Parts: sequence; structure tokens; C-alpha cells
Amino acid sequence: QSVLTQPPSASGTPGQRVTISCSGSSSNIGSNYVYWYQQLPGTAPKLLIYRNNQRPSGVPDRFSGSKSGTSASLAISGLRSEDEADYYCAAWDDSLSGQVFGGGTKLTVL
Amino acid sequence: QVQLQESGPGLVKPSQTLSLTCTVSGGSISSGDYYWSWIRQPPGKGLEWIGYIYYSGSTYYNPSLKSRVTISVDTSKNQFSLKLSSVTAADTAVYYCARGESIAALPDYWGQGTLVTVSS
Repeated sequence: QSVLTQPPSASGTPGQRVTISCSGSSSNIGSNYVYWYQQLPGTAPKLLIYRNNQRPSGVPDRFSGSKSGTSASLAISGLRSEDEADYYCAAWDDSLSGQVFGGGTKLTVL
Repeated sequence: QVQLQESGPGLVKPSQTLSLTCTVSGGSISSGDYYWSWIRQPPGKGLEWIGYIYYSGSTYYNPSLKSRVTISVDTSKNQFSLKLSSVTAADTAVYYCARGESIAALPDYWGQGTLVTVSS
């Protein structure tokens, strides 16, 4: 099982807003930045959000991240069919002295 | 823009050593600005951090794999490498190399990944 906990699936209709949660502990999310990745089928993960809520150049502002205590969430507004992918949260863990990932959330656009 | 490319055998026999190399282009490993990671993903499963290396040779490994992992760097070739010993079927995965801007920073750029299957 993964150190960070995500729901295995999420869904929404085009145009809708969906959120994906990520739960951790004081040694990871509670004391370090959270990152979010989007993985389309058969491709490498792509950085979507870094340092809790920052978007790399080229990532639409439909994607936003937030963090509170030992939890974080990714919000996607104006859902599009091309957003259908797996989404992973990640953070550094001080206790493990390493990177930890969530188990991933498969987003389906209905 | 930096690019990372993994290379190595796609099939490894059980108990043998898995060896992969990541070639970096569009940036220099020896700049000292980044940490260079290996991450893997078993088929249909999530991501697992293996470890990373700094240009100086300092390494950080996942405690669960530490006894079997060696990551090294060759700054003259702008490459870094992964060796995983005593492999089993559980080590079958897509292996990614990636770049992060600090010890506690997760990767920003990833290679395309290479599938390594452990089978006799």
C-alpha cells in the first residue's frame, strides 16, 4: 500500500469541476511540498502542480492544487475529455528520507 | 529543454542484475543544479521511488530497496545508471529516470520510461 492515500477513482462530466484528495502524515504532506502528476495511458507522468499550488509553464489554469495540514487536493475545473488520465500525488517524507507517492486516481470523463 | 532517455535490456533473468542507463541532453549533470532519480511502475500499478544521485556521487535510496540498489553517475558522458541485483518477477516494471531540483523536490522532467521484464 502507498504512503499517501488517494481514492482509486473519480469521475465527472464535461464542464464539471472535480477534486481528487491525497492524505498523508506529518512526516510528508504535513512538512513538505506536495506535487501532482498526470499520466496519460502509455506515457510518462507529467508534472501538473509543484510546491502545493504552482503550475509549470504550459499547464492550464483549470488545474489547481491546495494543501491543508496533512492533506492535499487537486481540482480540475471545466473538465474535458482529454483530462481522462491517472493522477498521482507525491511528496518528500522526512521519516523515510525519500520520495513517496499516492496510489493514483483514475479520472473518467463521462 | 532537458531530455532524458533510458536504455538497457528489456529482459532480465531472475536472480540476475538489472542495469539501466539514463542519458541526459539539453543540460549538464555536473551543473550541480539538480538531483537525478530512478522511479519505477509495475504494470497496472503505482509509482515507486528507487533513489537518486547528485553530480558529486552522493546517493539516496529507498530503504526497501537499498540492499539491492546502486546508482552511479558518469559526468563525462552526462549519464547516470541504475543497478538492481537479485531481481525477481516483482521487479518487472517500467523504469523511469527523472530530474528534480533539490533533495526534497519531486521530479519535473521524466524520461519516456523503459519496460524491464524479469523472466527466465
